[in-house]
Amino acid sequence: EAQVTQNPRYLITVTGKKLTVTCSQNMNHEYMSWYRQDPGLGLRQIYYSMNVEVTDKGDVPEGYKVSRKEKRNFPLILESPSPNQTSLYFCGSGLTDTQYFGPGTRLTVL
Amino acid sequence: LAKTTQPISMDSYEGQEVNITCSHNNIATNDYITWYQQFPSQGPRFIIQGYKTKVTNEVASLFIPADRKSSTLSLPRVSLSDTAVYYCLVGGTLRFYFGSGTKLNVKP
Repeated sequence: EAQVTQNPRYLITVTGKKLTVTCSQNMNHEYMSWYRQDPGLGLRQIYYSMNVEVTDKGDVPEGYKVSRKEKRNFPLILESPSPNQTSLYFCGSGLTDTQYFGPGTRLTVL
Repeated sequence: LAKTTQPISMDSYEGQEVNITCSHNNIATNDYITWYQQFPSQGPRFIIQGYKTKVTNEVASLFIPADRKSSTLSLPRVSLSDTAVYYCLVGGTLRFYFGSGTKLNVKP
């Protein structure tokens, strides 16, 4: 079954405490991406990756890092989270009609 | 990135046809138009994609006029389970702009 998994699904943390949200796909897709969703703003792209070791910024990359060391994994790293990064995060895998999304990670930064 | 504009919300009744229009005045020559559906607390799900004229699949139709500055998603005979947010995207290479979407509320 085609699947994108994210962990954790829910996370409450404090300002400045580094965290990583993992994303994994089993479809052998080259393209993966991260989005954040905030009320009234839809989904905004944070970073994307065309392949292993190839990443690029989306619309809202400030405060985030990513890495792509393996094709199946694309973790999102918040080195020093701040309250304005409180949001719902989605990982996507594949392009347009083959783009699958994970179940989401709801992050709260206090 | 070409920005998109959609109505914020729409109401409909079960069994009716629903048409949601999206405006994308700055669409580029090589951009595709893609529509996604999103239920609360779930990731978006692909519905349909097109480049020009009309595309139809088992769940929806997509109408694109010759100038491609707008597109219309048509959902035939909606049911309560079609209550969701619908996003129009323009692009299709590496960058994606989802916009705020249209919240469709289907009533019994």
